[in-house]
Amino acid sequence: ILNVEQSPQSLHVQEGDSTNFTCSFPSSNFYALHWYRWETAKSPEALFVMTLNGDEKKKGRISATLNTKEGYSYLYIKGSQPEDSATYLCAPRGGNQFYFGTGTSLTVIP
Amino acid sequence: DAGVIQSPRHEVTEMGQEVTLRCKPISGHDYLFWYRQTMMRGLELLIYFNNNVPIDDSGMPEDRFSAKMPNASFSTLKIQPSEPRDSAVYFCAIQTAASYGYTFGSGTRLTVV
Repeated sequence: ILNVEQSPQSLHVQEGDSTNFTCSFPSSNFYALHWYRWETAKSPEALFVMTLNGDEKKKGRISATLNTKEGYSYLYIKGSQPEDSATYLCAPRGGNQFYFGTGTSLTVIP
Repeated sequence: DAGVIQSPRHEVTEMGQEVTLRCKPISGHDYLFWYRQTMMRGLELLIYFNNNVPIDDSGMPEDRFSAKMPNASFSTLKIQPSEPRDSAVYFCAIQTAASYGYTFGSGTRLTVV
């Protein structure tokens, strides 16, 4: 079982601010890491799949980095918008199983 | 979510009753997962199947929970008897061996009163 920690648990930012959150996981037995965006009452939406140490992925205003040696990934949101409000989950993969953190709940205040 | 259909979307039941949640994968898959999501514990893996065979059910909370996958197009998660602490959103998800990601169903919101 992988111990996944996400921080902070919740975050409130003003519209236009940039923000970032952290996902920490054991660096051993790492295979891949997913970031999901989860809006209330909807299914999780896959944002990024990251596999290599040093990976950087970008999708619009959202980007992510991966450090498999030290066991962390950062998710960045540039110029937050109210529609970015959601829970952001990271899911590192060990073997054939994904483990989910409890997420970072982001609220963007207009 | 075109890949996975779950039913019902919402279920309200009385404590002690049997509850059956259903999952129908539409697209091809090799793995099928049942997850439970609560505010306190986040997303928890309950059980997963590989080619319809249960592989790991260590996440199933207790004997009141059982899951079956009689064929590649259908799986059920049963709770008998249900308890208020079982209230949660239950997700079914599929994965193919060739890809990394999941396709999630829209979930079943279970409320046990």
